[in-house]
Amino acid sequence: NAGVTQTPKFRILKIGQSMTLQCAQDMNHNYMYWYRQDPGMGLKLIYYSVGAGITDKGEVPNGYNVSRSTTEDFPLRLELAAPSQTSVYFCASSRGPAAEQYFGPGTRLTVT
Amino acid sequence: AQSVTQPDIHITVSEGASLELRCNYSYGATPYLFWYVQSPGQGLQLLLKYFSGDTLVQGIKGFEAEFKRSQSSFNLRKPSVHWSDAAEYFCAGAPQTGANNLFFGTGTRLTVIP
Repeated sequence: NAGVTQTPKFRILKIGQSMTLQCAQDMNHNYMYWYRQDPGMGLKLIYYSVGAGITDKGEVPNGYNVSRSTTEDFPLRLELAAPSQTSVYFCASSRGPAAEQYFGPGTRLTVT
Repeated sequence: AQSVTQPDIHITVSEGASLELRCNYSYGATPYLFWYVQSPGQGLQLLLKYFSGDTLVQGIKGFEAEFKRSQSSFNLRKPSVHWSDAAEYFCAGAPQTGANNLFFGTGTRLTVIP
């Protein structure tokens, strides 16, 4: 049981490039989340999903896109990377909307 | 607005001393409340949670938290801190109905000195 996995662990992008952050969970959780963490700012919700085929915006969705074709996977797409997207990105999953969330190890992204 | 706040950005304690990290919530009804810990370079790990019932909740690593409705608080405590407790601690909450996700506080960084 791997829990929540994220790839890659680190990535450096040039301004304007695109990439996809991968997230997978093997706990059969319906709910999945993407957060970004900036120093002193806590966690900001980017997007979340309540099940396969259903996604919704969180607090800071601009510049990002998501899809949820399966229960297990919830990739986050960055189009036209900007320096403001330099951050640590965490994926999480839970069995319900207000249940405990299980976090992946994070992806550290730098955009230069 | 419904939210969770952590008033202390950074706390320093001596090893062996007691610890209390503050968390306040502003939900109308009793919310679900959580404490998470994040070690450097790691993801968040659940320490404990409160849904209902006994207001004193025991968690992992010797931590406990007490839900106090009168003070809208859910403070995290540990009687004797170890150097390995140095980390960032996050309080999180959600209303028991109508929520799609948890709301996280901004975190408290704990430094432990010998």
